[in-house]
Amino acid sequence: DIQMTQSPSSLSASVGDRVTITCQASQDISNYLNWYQQKPGKAPKLLIYDASNLETGVPSRFSGSGSGTDFTFTISSLQPEDIATYYCQQYDNLPPTFGQGTKVEIK
Amino acid sequence: EVQLVESGGGLVQPGGSLKLSCAASGFTFSGSAMHWVRQASGKGLEWVGRIRSKANSYATAYAASVKGRFTISRDDSKNTAYLQMNSLKTEDTAVYYCTSLKSSGYYFNYWGQGTLVTVSS
Repeated sequence: DIQMTQSPSSLSASVGDRVTITCQASQDISNYLNWYQQKPGKAPKLLIYDASNLETGVPSRFSGSGSGTDFTFTISSLQPEDIATYYCQQYDNLPPTFGQGTKVEIK
Repeated sequence: EVQLVESGGGLVQPGGSLKLSCAASGFTFSGSAMHWVRQASGKGLEWVGRIRSKANSYATAYAASVKGRFTISRDDSKNTAYLQMNSLKTEDTAVYYCTSLKSSGYYFNYWGQGTLVTVSS
């Protein structure tokens, strides 16, 4: 199975800050990397697919980049409603695997 | 409006069985691969398994942790996917989500609200 290593596991930032989360795959996954947002008690929500494509309706302050084994997710200006846990996920090979998540809090 | 609605969760004893349903609407269910993902309380997301469309022979695949105990099926006439869970273990306790794979894509675009399965004596 492909292992996804996400960091940090949690972070605290101020409103308006730039927030960056990284995700590293244990082998080359091309650009088959997605990012999801999960708020407490809710289902995950797709934000970024194929490493850098913004899902329809998702605010442009969210972005993703990378290919191969190293990927980055960025919130350009953190908003109060962005408080959530974020997961990367690969679908290059079965089984699809998720990173362990990054919990984002407001400082 | 796209909807995925899971049902069938509840409390079951170790060794017991439970069948979850996932009713879909608002998209072309018959053409979509349907997956199940679970999440134990306070933990991350774990893929459980999937069933592909009729065009892909309804092929199934499962996580090693559930293979041989769980079975995924679908009824395209009812726009519903199912997860039959047998020989349940305490470690199967989780919220179970159904999710659809984007057609011609490699990402989960729609998710249900989840249903809680608790395995306990």
